[in-house]
Amino acid sequence: GENVEQHPSTLSVQEGDSAVIKCTYSDSASNYFPWYKQELGKGPQLIIDIRSNVGEKKDQRIAVTLNKTAKHFSLHITETQPEDSAVYFCAATTFATGNQFYFGTGTSLTVIP
Amino acid sequence: SQTIHQWPATLVQPVGSPLSLECTVEGTSNPNLYWYRQAAGRGLQLLFYSVGIGQISSEVPQNLSASRPQDRQFILSSKKLLLSDSGFYLCAWDRGGFQETQYFGPGTRLLVL
Repeated sequence: GENVEQHPSTLSVQEGDSAVIKCTYSDSASNYFPWYKQELGKGPQLIIDIRSNVGEKKDQRIAVTLNKTAKHFSLHITETQPEDSAVYFCAATTFATGNQFYFGTGTSLTVIP
Repeated sequence: SQTIHQWPATLVQPVGSPLSLECTVEGTSNPNLYWYRQAAGRGLQLLFYSVGIGQISSEVPQNLSASRPQDRQFILSSKKLLLSDSGFYLCAWDRGGFQETQYFGPGTRLLVL
């Protein structure tokens, strides 16, 4: 099955700096890669996603890049703000029966004011 | 718009007691439904998923079970809780079919003592 690895597990940045979180996957058939943000005590919320036919996608301060050859994808947050502090999860799927998502182990991002 | 509910929000149960967690989705029909468990500081582990009423697939053998008595209702149960069942339980849904994003509920925090 698919194996998703996520790095780093913790990340601290100064407010206004950029943050980058990286994920690798093992199944070359994976074709959809969402990113979720989870605040303390809450469920994960989708923040951005990318499909395999696209190399990059941007939404305001958040961007995701995908390298299918190398089987890795990254989340980029620019001009970080204290409210960006949360745990971020990447995931990958091939959309097989049941749409099973394979999640990374999460990155705890702290933005220091 | 679609909304997903989970209850209870928190639960403290003694070892050996039964469990019933409920998840309902509003504003959509025939969704795929999922139960995940998140241990403290860990990633998301898929427990069960359902593509329709009465159709349950299990990903991890354990003392938990799931049922889908109605189209938009998903229940997680146990006859006898173990200490290791403690965690944050998340329900998720997608629109069914393929290539659909999963959306998570607010979660239930379970502490087994």
